[in-house]
Amino acid sequence: KAGVTQTPRYLIKTRGQQVTLSCSPISGHRSVSWYQQTPGQGLQFLFEYFSETQRNKGNFPGRFSGRQFSNSRSEMNVSTLELGDSALYLCASSSTTGQTGNTIYFGEGSWLTVV
Amino acid sequence: KNQVEQSPQSLIILEGKNCTLQCNYTVSPFSNLRWYKQDTGRGPVSLTIMTFSENTKSNGRYTATLDADTKQSSLHITASQLSDSASYICVVANGATNKLIFGTGTLLAVQP
Repeated sequence: KAGVTQTPRYLIKTRGQQVTLSCSPISGHRSVSWYQQTPGQGLQFLFEYFSETQRNKGNFPGRFSGRQFSNSRSEMNVSTLELGDSALYLCASSSTTGQTGNTIYFGEGSWLTVV
Repeated sequence: KNQVEQSPQSLIILEGKNCTLQCNYTVSPFSNLRWYKQDTGRGPVSLTIMTFSENTKSNGRYTATLDADTKQSSLHITASQLSDSASYICVVANGATNKLIFGTGTLLAVQP
């Protein structure tokens, strides 16, 4: 079956702009999580959605937001982009909520460069 | 403080050799520990998941061990192949917050 699909794969934005990234989870998976990965920080948890509700949130400013649709597809938005937002944004899906005990499947990521 | 530390940061080995990667954590309460393999420019792929009661789990040439008492885990790679070149990330789940805490990874390079 198809894996986790993220779009776009690469994008370049200017400081101050906003960006929306999309994620389609594995069919049947209702939990979608987002992560930011930078070379120095590793993977940092942004938020998790399950059945259109945010279930968990990391320590990121309010400029980072997300949502999940009834078909489990998810989007994340970053407003007022800063240079430090340049990173690989990874989406992951799993069959149930919470991040304990379940195999989590990652997408290939969206590479965001802010100039 | 919930932390996951991995060592070494990077490692170079010759094809066919074995290697062991280390992971120490201070996450509490502990729920489970995962090892992921991430190829350059790709998303991480799950190798193993271990709970408190499991002290070893294998996935092909990859064998993970867990000592919950000392809060240490290791990932042993047997008979390395060029395709094993990747970053290996240790992840520990916090049983209270349901959050995953990621290590910064060990970058492995397998040379012919």
